[in-house]
Amino acid sequence: DGGITQSPKYLFRKEGQNVTLSCEQNLNHDAMYWYRQDPGQGLRLIYYSQIVNDFQKGDIAEGYSVSREKKESFPLTVTSAQKNPTAFYLCASSTLQGMIGALYFGAGTRLSVL
Amino acid sequence: QKEVEQDPGPLSVPEGAIVSLNCTYSNSAFQYFMWYRQYSRKGPELLMYTYSSGNKEDGRFTAQVDKSSKYISLFIRDSQPSDSATYLCALKAGSGNTPLVFGKGTRLSVIA
Repeated sequence: DGGITQSPKYLFRKEGQNVTLSCEQNLNHDAMYWYRQDPGQGLRLIYYSQIVNDFQKGDIAEGYSVSREKKESFPLTVTSAQKNPTAFYLCASSTLQGMIGALYFGAGTRLSVL
Repeated sequence: QKEVEQDPGPLSVPEGAIVSLNCTYSNSAFQYFMWYRQYSRKGPELLMYTYSSGNKEDGRFTAQVDKSSKYISLFIRDSQPSDSATYLCALKAGSGNTPLVFGKGTRLSVIA
């Protein structure tokens, strides 16, 4: 089945620690995205990538980093510089053809601070 | 003024009711309009997609776009308890590779 796989489902971070959230897609989509969701805040864009080896900052990129070495993969690192990392993180992908802009989401990773 | 405004609710209706969910927007460059449904602790799923003014129907769901008023709606007929979720509107400008702009979502509860 085609889709987006996020792992792990739950993640705990100790203070000062960097953690990496995995996102893999087998939809052959060109673009991939990371969003953060907090209660009452809606979805906020962290980073997005239209093609391999290229990515752009979203609205709240500070304290996060990404890489896009393969079309299928777009991992997100939450660095120690992100002082309030507790949130629900969603990865998404989209095709640049057909239904322009329509995003397909993974099941999410819930990150908490120990 | 935010680009997209959506009443967060919560909205509670009895089973079988017609539900109306709405978003308003300020940027006339938006040309693609979507509705997502998100169950608790899950990722959002695309429910409706449209790129023109007027109505689009899919089963019990109807998406309506009024570009002149900058107003979009999602109607749910014969609502079911399984429709209980958060509904997010999402809009995209027609030009360039600009990402979607999301509303904050409306939480809906359908009571049996």
